[in-house]
Formats: sequence, C-alpha cells, structure tokens
Amino acid sequence: DQQVKQNSPSLSVQEGRISILNCDYTNSMFDYFLWYKKYPAEGPTFLISISSIKDKNEDGRFTVFLNKSAKHLSLHIVPSQPGDSAVYFCAASSGAINKLSFGAGTTVTVRA
Amino acid sequence: GAVVSQHPSRVICKSGTSVKIECRSLDFQATTMFWYRQFPKQSLMLMATSNEGSKATYEQGVEKDKFLINHASLTLSTLTVTSAHPEDSSFYICSATATPNTEAFFGQGTRLTVV
Repeated sequence: DQQVKQNSPSLSVQEGRISILNCDYTNSMFDYFLWYKKYPAEGPTFLISISSIKDKNEDGRFTVFLNKSAKHLSLHIVPSQPGDSAVYFCAASSGAINKLSFGAGTTVTVRA
Repeated sequence: GAVVSQHPSRVICKSGTSVKIECRSLDFQATTMFWYRQFPKQSLMLMATSNEGSKATYEQGVEKDKFLINHASLTLSTLTVTSAHPEDSSFYICSATATPNTEAFFGQGTRLTVV
C-alpha cells in the first residue's frame, strides 16, 4: 500500500527555468515531509523538509509547498542548474521523524 | 553531512545461500538504523527499525526469520538475507540517525541479485 506517490517518473527542464516536482500522500497522520536527492551510486541526501504546521518552506533555490487539504506537496527548484539532475524522492513521516514512507522518485534532467 | 557506509555495493549470490550487508556510521554514533528495500520502479519500503542493543522492529509483511538484523554496536548494523531466493533480488539501503528526531543519513545501498 503506497502511501506516498510521485506520479511523474521523469521531468526534463531547461537550465535556468523552474523545476516543479509533485507528490501526493494518502495518510492524514503524516505530519512531516521531506525531499531527498539521489545521484547514481550514492545514497539519498536530505534536501529540504516541511512540518504540517506550515504551508511553505524556502531554502535558497528550493521551496517546498504543502497543501494539507489536498494531501499534496511540491518542490520548486529555481533556477534549475545542470547539477540538479538527479532522482528526487518525496518522503513523509508520522511521529517518528526518521521512519519514512517514500515515493518512487522523479528523475530530473536539466538541459543546458 | 555525516557519513554512512554500506557494504557491499553489489552482490550476486546463489539461490539458497545467505548474504550479509553491513551498514556503518563512520563519524557519529547511530542509536537507530533503518533498513529499506526498493524494487524496480517502486518506492523505498521500510523493512525494519533497529536500535542498538535491542531486537529490531519489523514492518508488517517482512519476515524477521528471513531478514536477520543485528545492531550490536553504535556504529554497525547488519542485515542478513537468509536462504535467498530470486524474488529477494532488490536494492537494499540503510539509514542511520544519532537520535530519533534528528536527520537520518543514508548509505549508498546494496544491489542484491539472487541467481
């Protein structure tokens, strides 16, 4: 039973433009959401997170938006850079911050 | 960030044999480690949570006798896939955290192929 879904397996965007990654969840008990970035042959690395008490969190080029009523969150990367090309995972937790439910990932390719 | 090392990165084994995967926190003491599995085109799925010095807690549907987890020290957890079968072929990845509510760091993962 997949509680976190990333319906777009891939995204291609031109350098300098905005990348928007989407994530939907079904478990209303989730109260903490994270985005991870993964390069080939490496483990996922933490990118940005948001608590359910907020609807937006910004860190440099990365902004995460949370819409609790729609059970939807998104990650915006602007401007996109070639080094952003990676797989991005959406994750969520309920209570225990590190016990995570993951989406299947979205592969982002930034074209020069 | 902190470093978590997983070994081996790839392993091929014969059906019926056992395989051990190690997860080490190199520069911090990991009180809790998590083991995940990912099948192709699917999410990382949590298999079990292991706390140093105690028995692992397995997620529903994960056979504890098949996936043996040991967390005997604050820097090492091992996952042993016993009597492996081709359907156990998957990507296994661990994460480690110093305290329950701090960021977890992931290992590089292990690609297991059972032939």
